[in-house]
Order: sequence, then C-alpha cells, then structure tokens
Amino acid sequence: NAGVTQTPKFRVLKTGQSMTLLCAQDMNHEYMYWYRQDPGMGLRLIHYSVGEGTTAKGEVPDGYNVSRLKKQNFLLGLESAAPSQTSVYFCASSYFLGTEAFFGQGTRLTVV
Amino acid sequence: AQSVTQPDIHITVSEGASLELRCNYSYGATPYLFWYVQSPGQGLQLLLKYFSGDTLVQGIKGFEAEFKRSQSSFNLRKPSVHWSDAAEYFCAVGARGGSNYKLTFGKGTLLTVNP
Repeated sequence: NAGVTQTPKFRVLKTGQSMTLLCAQDMNHEYMYWYRQDPGMGLRLIHYSVGEGTTAKGEVPDGYNVSRLKKQNFLLGLESAAPSQTSVYFCASSYFLGTEAFFGQGTRLTVV
Repeated sequence: AQSVTQPDIHITVSEGASLELRCNYSYGATPYLFWYVQSPGQGLQLLLKYFSGDTLVQGIKGFEAEFKRSQSSFNLRKPSVHWSDAAEYFCAVGARGGSNYKLTFGKGTLLTVNP
C-alpha cells in the first residue's frame, strides 16, 4: 500500500530558483493538503484542496502556489525560493474534510 | 478560531514508566481530536482519534487518550513506555462540518526514553 507519496525527498535550491513538489495518493481521497514543519512551530497549513480542480489558502500561503489537475495529485510550487522557505514539507490526504489525515514521508527543502 | 496547546515541549521518562502527554484545545463545539506520532525523519502516523461516543479511546501501540469536555483536554497515556516510543507527538483538532477546512496541530512534545 503506497498511501501518500512525495517526490523528491530532499532538495537544495538557490535563492530565486523555482521548483515543484509532487504529492500522489492512491486512496481515492477528495481532500489533500500541504503543510510545512519548522522546529518549535508544529505543522502549518500552506494550501489545501477539497477536490479535483479546486485549491484554497491555508495559514501560510504566501510564496507558494498549488494545483490539483487530477484527483490523485497535488502539486506545490515555489516560483522564487527564499531562505525562509527552508523547511520540511508534508503532503496529506483525507477522506472527509477536517478528519484524520494520512501523511507522506516529507520533503526536506533547503534554500541557500 | 480553534487552537491546540501542548504544554510540554520535551518529556523524559524511563523505560517501563507510565506516560501522560497533555493536550488542551480551544473550539466552540465538540471537535474531532487526534494524536499523531512522528519518528525522526518520518512522516506523521495516526495513533488514535476521537469523533464521538466513548470518551476513552484506544489506539495503536498500546496508547489511549481520554476526551474531557469540561477541561477541554485530550491527554495521551501509556501505562508502560518502551524505548521505541521515543518520538515527537502531536495533538490535533479538526473542525466539524462546513467547507472551511480546519485541522490544527499543536507544536508537539518530544519524548525521550531512558534505558
């Protein structure tokens, strides 16, 4: 059972570069989320999606864009990376909104 | 707005000792409540959840949690800790219904287990 898969697992970017993080889930979940995790801050919601073709802003959306062209995929984009975006990024999905979320293994991003 | 407080940033216990991790939430109605565990370098794994009904819920790995409405708490317990329980634990509260997604996490409690 793959569950939620994130690629890549590690990435180093230079300031100003762009990149896309890919999240794929095979549980047929409607809802998908992107979080960032920073020491002492817990998990903070960046963007989320309530279904194919929809996206919505979370708690810390600035500097990120997302797309949900297919139900099973949720992409997180950084158009112009900044050192403040150095973090561990987690994708999650859930069957119902606001209920238990299943998490990927995370992507550790460093912006230098 | 809902919020979650985990008062203890770091807890150290001896192997075999009992454990209680505290979680307090703020929410206008009865929320969904969760405990997740994160081992180093890993994603978050659901330990247990409370939606309704019996206020004492059992989870995986021998953990349990009790929902106390009067205290707005959902503390996690384990009667005897194993070295493999060393990890970071996150409490989360989810809003019921509506189209406005809300699953809010606490800042986590790091558990160290001494041999």
